[in-house]
Amino acid sequence: GQNIDQPTEMTATEGAIVQINCTYQTSGFNGLFWYQQHAGEAPTFLSYNVLDGLEEKGRFSSFLSRSKGYSYLLLKELQMKDSASYLCAVHKDSNYQLIWGAGTKLIIKP
Amino acid sequence: DVKVTQSSRYLVKRTGEKVFLECVQDMDHENMFWYRQDPGLGLRLIYFSYDVKMKEKGDIPEGYSVSREKKERFSLILESASTNQTSMYLCASYGAQETQYFGPGTRLLVL
Repeated sequence: GQNIDQPTEMTATEGAIVQINCTYQTSGFNGLFWYQQHAGEAPTFLSYNVLDGLEEKGRFSSFLSRSKGYSYLLLKELQMKDSASYLCAVHKDSNYQLIWGAGTKLIIKP
Repeated sequence: DVKVTQSSRYLVKRTGEKVFLECVQDMDHENMFWYRQDPGLGLRLIYFSYDVKMKEKGDIPEGYSVSREKKERFSLILESASTNQTSMYLCASYGAQETQYFGPGTRLLVL
């Protein structure tokens, strides 16, 4: 079957670093997305990893290990506005469907 | 900037009513999607369309239908709304950078 696992909730302190993990088991794999979703709003695109390794984009970085079925999103210099849910999604095969994790709610404390 | 718009942000309907949710994208994307999002369950795909007049069932199509008469517009129809269809409905359009762009969502309450 298809399975994507993320922690349900995490708490971190403003200015700190947090790593949100995502593990997946899917019958195919083309790439892995990370999206940010603030409460009551639509998800917005953060990153897309196809190859193994770390991709850095400002304060946010995303890592992928295809052999381990594992990804993480690293957020540095946390700000209060980073309080949101972070969704991991696998692009499974040649069609355009994504398999979504349930999301990780990140709470930032002053 | 890609823009995906949805006809309503909030909607309240009664059980048994027919409900139309409309989604419009302005980037000439061929692929469009309808999801529902419920707490603890993540995004679940209802239907998607990869071309005008084409549609494919997603994971949870029961109780829903869709219409894609024009490339820019993808409609989700609840033939007879039920309370278990109370949810957040998100439309998405698939872009050239292999990114799904989402509309603002419609929060539907069925009484």
